[in-house]
Amino acid sequence: EAGVTQFPSHSVIEKGQTVTLRCDPISGHDNLYWYRRVMGKEIKFLLHFVKESKQDESGMPNNRFLAERTGGTYSTLKVQPAELEDSGVYFCASSQFSTGERQETQYFGPGTRLLVL
Amino acid sequence: LAKTTQPISMDSYEGQEVNITCSHNNIATNDYITWYQQFPSQGPRFIIQGYKTKVTNEVASLFIPADRKSSTLSLPRVSLSDTAVYYCLVGDAPYNQGGKLIFGQGTELSVKP
Repeated sequence: EAGVTQFPSHSVIEKGQTVTLRCDPISGHDNLYWYRRVMGKEIKFLLHFVKESKQDESGMPNNRFLAERTGGTYSTLKVQPAELEDSGVYFCASSQFSTGERQETQYFGPGTRLLVL
Repeated sequence: LAKTTQPISMDSYEGQEVNITCSHNNIATNDYITWYQQFPSQGPRFIIQGYKTKVTNEVASLFIPADRKSSTLSLPRVSLSDTAVYYCLVGDAPYNQGGKLIFGQGTELSVKP
């Protein structure tokens, strides 16, 4: 079974440009999460989709970040316009819809390394 | 939210048992304790999860005392390939809809030959 995939693996852009990151979750997983680690900091939650709906977007840093998950399959995270402080590694994770008895395992992709110059 | 505290780094040698302890004094009644492993240039990978007492799988064991204010991840006979960052997480999840993971700084384990 294919794991979580992310594209691109690396992206180098200039300040002010737009970048779109893509995440393909494990097939059949209703939950999709975005996280990021900026230089020297901890991995931080950005947002959580349940199917196509945003369940929790409390971690989105500002309105330059837009996440979508049309059709409840893959998700995109757009940064527009990108700023220097957006540099970091963006991870996507997915999990099955929990049956309710335990916190479900989240499966992470390899991440997209974003560098804003 | 339950905050976790764990050592920043640990060193070990091949073949040794490694125990990484995590403190989570404010763990909630419904929270599970989960450990993830992260290799360089990869995303975190689930290792083990538990609620109380002891859990063992093919990779590790997790020991949780009765008060649940701490937990210990035990890696038997580590090899060089176990060099990674290990994260202790305590859930912030509604039971039936999953939830975000709260990562701390993790413990960077270095296994030497």
